[in-house]
Amino acid sequence: AQSVTQLDSHVSVSEGTPVLLRCNYSSSYSPSLFWYVQHPNKGLQLLLKYTSAATLVKGINGFEAEFKKSETSFHLTKPSAHMSDAAEYFCVVTPPRGYSTLTFGKGTMLLVSP
Amino acid sequence: DADVTQTPRNRITKTGKRIMLECSQTKGHDRMYWYRQDPGLGLRLIYYSFDVKDINKGEISDGYSVSRQAQAKFSLSLESAIPNQTALYFCATSDSRQSYGTQYFGPGTRLLVL
Repeated sequence: AQSVTQLDSHVSVSEGTPVLLRCNYSSSYSPSLFWYVQHPNKGLQLLLKYTSAATLVKGINGFEAEFKKSETSFHLTKPSAHMSDAAEYFCVVTPPRGYSTLTFGKGTMLLVSP
Repeated sequence: DADVTQTPRNRITKTGKRIMLECSQTKGHDRMYWYRQDPGLGLRLIYYSFDVKDINKGEISDGYSVSRQAQAKFSLSLESAIPNQTALYFCATSDSRQSYGTQYFGPGTRLLVL
């Protein structure tokens, strides 16, 4: 069984300040992990994925995430927020090698103020 | 052109009506999925299909049915719509030849059941 918990339903930051979106996972095996982003009235877009090759994963638009097995965490970060980062972010877990389905977290809404 | 398309994009229907949501993809992927998104609940899997002859129930399949007409087409039906099926519905695809199960999403169908 697998599950994912996004620790904050909403995160507010000012433009130019760092972003931290927190995600903890539970899995009975070493998982694959993803972050997806959903901009208003849009579909979901893959930001980045962890597939056991490297624990620090870089994604699009300056985002990165670090897989920490000891903490069962996969937090998403960005050094400097931009107004265009305002969106909903989903942490997702799946068993390795993609032989099963995805399990989504409930989402974190990122609000960016000028 | 979009790789994963969904029709209609918006639909209003009445309780008890049968409706169909359609999904088409040009990515050549063998796997297709239907999700629903509700505020604060993330995405939940309704049905998935790993190839044309394979259909599987997801987390919340009650009240829904699907048809995989071809590798590129996967339709979701609500046999008798009810108001709590009001939601945003997403179709997604993935390629079994890619080891880590990245899914690619359509733009979504917003359904309102009165």
